[in-house]
Amino acid sequence: GQSLEQPSEVTAVEGAIVQINCTYQTSGFYGLSWYQQHDGGAPTFLSYNALDGLEETGRFSSFLSRSDSYGYLLLQELQMKDSASYFCAVLNSNTGKLIFGQGTTLQVKP
Amino acid sequence: DAGVTQSPTHLIKTRGQHVTLRCSPISGHKSVSWYQQVLGQGPQFIFQYYEKEERGRGNFPDRFSARQFPNYSSELNVNALLLGDSALYLCASSLTGTGGWNQPQHFGDGTRLSIL
Repeated sequence: GQSLEQPSEVTAVEGAIVQINCTYQTSGFYGLSWYQQHDGGAPTFLSYNALDGLEETGRFSSFLSRSDSYGYLLLQELQMKDSASYFCAVLNSNTGKLIFGQGTTLQVKP
Repeated sequence: DAGVTQSPTHLIKTRGQHVTLRCSPISGHKSVSWYQQVLGQGPQFIFQYYEKEERGRGNFPDRFSARQFPNYSSELNVNALLLGDSALYLCASSLTGTGGWNQPQHFGDGTRLSIL
């Protein structure tokens, strides 16, 4: 089967750095994606890692270690608008399915 | 450019009825996927269509069906609605033009389905 584990909630203050971890178990792994979803909104794509290492996009970075079946999303210089749910998702190369974790609710406080 | 559009935005049905949800992908995108998102959980994969063919199916009963049209728009049909079908139904499109599955998926705002 396929499963992803990520913390349910994270709290941080404005300007801080926060890391959201994700571990996964899957067959036919193709890549790890991260999505952001604000309350009542659609998930929006943040990043994608197919190879080991760090991908940086502005204030957001994502890391993948395929040997450890582990990845994380790093958010720097937190802003109030970053308060949202963050989902890691595994892309299965056999089926093309995108399997989501349960999501991490990030609350940014002043 | 228009993003992924879904209709209707909200829908209220009663148990036993059927429903059809519609999705128009981003222009040029050939792949459409459907997800069900229950409050407090991540989206659950239902179907993926690429070039009008079903490419993947999640663990949903046969009451759920879908199709993709020549213009790449898609419909999700759910028969014999149950209370547990109440959820946000999301449609996502991706380019996947060359067969590579690493294209990011672009989500619509979803259809909020409530079953009474």
